[in-house]
Parts: sequence; structure tokens; C-alpha cells
Amino acid sequence: QLQLQESGSGLVKPSQTLSLTCAVSGGSISSGDYSWSWIRQSPGKGLEWIGYIYRSGNTYYNPSLRGRVTVLVDRSKNQFSLRLSSVTAADTAVYYCARAGITMERGVLIEMNAFDIWGQGTMVTVSS
Amino acid sequence: DIQMTQSPSSLSASVGDRVTISCRASQSISDYLHWFQQKPGKAPKLVIYAATSLQSGVPSRFSGSGSGTGFTLTISSLQPEDFATYYCQQSYTAPYTFGQGTKLEIK
Repeated sequence: QLQLQESGSGLVKPSQTLSLTCAVSGGSISSGDYSWSWIRQSPGKGLEWIGYIYRSGNTYYNPSLRGRVTVLVDRSKNQFSLRLSSVTAADTAVYYCARAGITMERGVLIEMNAFDIWGQGTMVTVSS
Repeated sequence: DIQMTQSPSSLSASVGDRVTISCRASQSISDYLHWFQQKPGKAPKLVIYAATSLQSGVPSRFSGSGSGTGFTLTISSLQPEDFATYYCQQSYTAPYTFGQGTKLEIK
């Protein structure tokens, strides 16, 4: 059974870069038609989708994060990662990684399904 | 962005009650609507996908309906383990957005 596990720094200073990794076990990140997303949850903003990457390496990010986000995949380690730069206190949240099935046409995502598998989440606090 | 609005924000009910939670999208999203259950300190868990389909392993007392802009999640007979916060989410178009949540509490 596929499982996801987040890891990374739990405390980040303002203006620095938040870095998290999501390890995939019980299956290959490269098999099947799936997207791999980051989602965060804070008391003030609820659940917020951050961005995804899918098999071809294509990414899409939430415009609300104004170009601060990068999602990368490392197929050799069967994991994907999140980098969020220039963090502020507003980026304090529980960060989740999640999988969703997708439909692709000519290598482009045309349909996104539900987030069916989630990691357990990791708390990140932005503070000096 | 598509705005997702849930009602009510909180709901008190008793074991055995039938409850309904509503979710409205700011524009038509066809059936790209999913429901999640979240308990304190845990990740959201998929309950209903594509508006009406029951996720594997979820009890049949959960059901979903709707299409377009209006959707509902119904629990036919509340069990103690169903008290949690429920979220709707659209995957019609990115950025994918969630409702603000409905907290289901024991009366």
C-alpha cells in the first residue's frame, strides 16, 4: 500500500527558504498517471493547495504564492520536494504531501482527480 | 480562483442522526467535487470523490450528491467515529480550492 512521509526543518527563520521532502513508499513515484502535490493548513487560511508535479516533470503552482514555490522530483530516491522562499510568519502551517490520479493527453494534464493518499503532515513554524 | 463555501460552519448532532452538509462553488465545476473527513492531529481522509462516489473502505452511511455548483454530503446514521471536520474541495481547475470546513460535534 502506497504511503507518503514528509520530513524537513520544523523551524525556519523569516526571509529564509523552507525545504520539505515527501518520501514515497510501497510504490514507485514514476508509475501510473498521478500528480504529487503539496498542501498546507493553517488556522487562519484553512487548507491551501500549494502546487504539484507529475510524471513528465511538469509543475503548476498556486499563483497566490507569487513565484516563491518550487516542487521537484527525485526519481532515484522515490521522493519529491517543496521549496518555499522568502518565508514569513504567514507561512507557518502544517504541510502535507498528497497524491491524486490524473488524466493526461499528449503529455499534458487535462483532468485532476481527488487527493486519495496523504502524508501525516509536518508542522513548520516561521520564527526568528 | 473558484470559491468553495460550506454550510453550516458547525453542527451539533447525536449518534443515530441523519446529517447533511452543503457545499457551493462560485462557478460550475461539473462533478469535480470531493469530500474529506479530518480528525484532530490527522491528515484529511478522502470520503467521497467525484461528487457521488464512495471511496474504498468508507462506510455506506456516507453519500454525496450534486453537480454544477451545489453539492451535499449526507451521513445517514451518525456513529461516534464520524464526529470530525468535513471539507469539500474542487479539482475542476487549478488552483484547487477547499471549503472552510464544517465541524460536526456531539450534541
